[in-house]
Amino acid sequence: GIQVEQSPPDLILQEGANSTLRCNFSDSVNNLQWFHQNPWGQLINLFYIPSGTKQNGRLSATTVATERYSLLYISSSQTTDSGVYFCAVDSSGGYNKLIFGAGTRLAVHP
Amino acid sequence: DTAVSQTPKYLVTQMGNDKSIKCEQNLGHDTMYWYKQDSKKFLKIMFSYNNKELIINETVPNRFSPKSPDKAHLNLHINSLELGDSAVYFCASRQGGNSPLHFGNGTRLTVT
Repeated sequence: GIQVEQSPPDLILQEGANSTLRCNFSDSVNNLQWFHQNPWGQLINLFYIPSGTKQNGRLSATTVATERYSLLYISSSQTTDSGVYFCAVDSSGGYNKLIFGAGTRLAVHP
Repeated sequence: DTAVSQTPKYLVTQMGNDKSIKCEQNLGHDTMYWYKQDSKKFLKIMFSYNNKELIINETVPNRFSPKSPDKAHLNLHINSLELGDSAVYFCASRQGGNSPLHFGNGTRLTVT
């Protein structure tokens, strides 16, 4: 099945810093989503982005489907950005299931 | 209005017991899922239902039995609970394959 690798596994930032999280996948995809799991355990949809670029406030994401990767940019990080960021993909094989990467654990310190 | 709601939020029980987790979505989606998140935060799909029909069963022990009375509800019943079943269980839904997945807030199951 499709493999999803996220990097880095852990990231520590000072408030105000910028960062880039990467998601590589091993096969063509129909669907790619980025999620933020906050310290209370909730999984928050950030982006539905099978291709192209989207922006939402300080966050933006780019997926280059032909090269099988996606990037999540966080600018001017805040302590509330702390948590785990997951990339998840549906393969084009039509299995209708979202496969998750292992996540990037982000800690933003004041 | 909560889009995907799960109950209970916390569940503490002893080994050998049987328990159920309920999930409801008010988004009008036709596909619902159960995911399990282990202690290392890894999320793994367990089941998927489309319009009340089981379409994915990811080699989950048959002590786990999902039931979908209608397309807005997907419940998870677990028999003979084991220590290794301790995890956070997430319900999710979406409208077809090429659309975003929406998660509930999770049920933290602790088996003692």
